[in-house]
Amino acid sequence: DGGITQSPKYLFRKEGQNVTLSCEQNLNHDAMYWYRQDPGQGLRLIYYSQIVNDFQKGDIAEGYSVSREKKESFPLTVTSAQKNPTAFYLCASSRGGGQAPSYNEQFFGPGTRLTVL
Amino acid sequence: AQSVTQLGSHVSVSEGALVLLRCNYSSSVPPYLFWYVQYPNQGLQLLLKYTSAATLVKGINGFEAEFKKSETSFHLTKPSAHMSDAAEYFCAVRVTGGGNKLTFGTGTQLKVEL
Repeated sequence: DGGITQSPKYLFRKEGQNVTLSCEQNLNHDAMYWYRQDPGQGLRLIYYSQIVNDFQKGDIAEGYSVSREKKESFPLTVTSAQKNPTAFYLCASSRGGGQAPSYNEQFFGPGTRLTVL
Repeated sequence: AQSVTQLGSHVSVSEGALVLLRCNYSSSVPPYLFWYVQYPNQGLQLLLKYTSAATLVKGINGFEAEFKKSETSFHLTKPSAHMSDAAEYFCAVRVTGGGNKLTFGTGTQLKVEL
């Protein structure tokens, strides 16, 4: 059964600690994305990767880091530099390319809710 | 840069009534537009998309949206609301030159009452 898995579903962190959120996909997609969701603000792009061993900053990358060593995995680390990390984090993936006029739909994982204590 | 604005952060309708969720876009090029639905504590699911073909787009669960260039709008409608439609709905626009990247609106929470 193909899809995207995120773990854990709930995560608690003490202030000053780094924490890593897992995202795995078995859809054979080249591109992967991390979003942060806060109430009333929609989804904001943190980082994205269009191919293995390459990634780019999104709109709110400060305080976050990623790696893309394998096609199926795109872990997100929330560092102690992130001032307000409590949020719902969503991972997505899509087939690569996507140059107009073609477009490849993003598929989303179930999310991880991070709470800083 | 492309952007979308969703008017109304909360919409409440009675079961069986028309659902209308508003989305206006800003884009210097012909946009690709999307509606996603999110149930509590879950990821997003694509409802429908407009990619410059037919202006009236039909999606899943009985939803449809009409692209109106003159009004820069892409409103989501459903003729008859069901309790299971209660969720948060997001409008999104493709980022030009950004591969498959999207910019999302702030969302509209739909409540369906008996």
